[in-house]
Amino acid sequence: EADIYQTPRYLVIGTGKKITLECSQTMGHDKMYWYQQDPGMELHLIHYSYGVNSTEKGDLSSESTVSRIRTEHFPLTLESARPSHTSQYLCASSPPYSGTSAYNSPLHFGNGTRLTVT
Amino acid sequence: AQSVTQLDSQVPVFEEAPVELRCNYSSSVSVYLFWYVQYPNQGLQLLLKYLSGSTLVKGINGFEAEFNKSQTSFHLRKPSVHISDTAEYFCAVTGSGGSYIPTFGRGTSLIVHP
Repeated sequence: EADIYQTPRYLVIGTGKKITLECSQTMGHDKMYWYQQDPGMELHLIHYSYGVNSTEKGDLSSESTVSRIRTEHFPLTLESARPSHTSQYLCASSPPYSGTSAYNSPLHFGNGTRLTVT
Repeated sequence: AQSVTQLDSQVPVFEEAPVELRCNYSSSVSVYLFWYVQYPNQGLQLLLKYLSGSTLVKGINGFEAEFNKSQTSFHLRKPSVHISDTAEYFCAVTGSGGSYIPTFGRGTSLIVHP
């Protein structure tokens, strides 16, 4: 049962449109992440956040932006969608850490948004 | 930097047969290892994790994994698979180099045939 919610599940949109992928979690987790997933490839981290008003870019260059105004909400925005943005986007969260738990807390994932840009 | 190699992109197997999905990681320091499963049209969910202690870790749905430090491996096994085990399986590592953000492998697609 998901405690992290992503909307929409599927989105087909034309080139040049602005889109926002929504992600919300009800677990009070401080850390949140966006991954991009393509078939047969590693999950690539594109953005992450340590908490409110904290955002960082991941290891995969991305033209998207994120915001973290509330603990539970971590939306991802593409200002101008292109066909190269076609992919599955996964949102995840992990709990606050103390000691070593920063390293051993598993991620909780949403069900993803499959984006197609035509 | 930490990295994970999943040696098989696809593993076909018949129902009730045993299966092993292979995972190797690169690190010279202590690591924490995870296996996640992704069913069609869903996100990833935790299958099991190795933190410390016993090298044999048991997870959900009858899966287990063995941590082998000398071979830097964390292979996933199940003695008898079901059709419902058909899914994508991802190995992940944290801890190496001080990074708590997991690095994922490319995934192994387990296909169970009747």
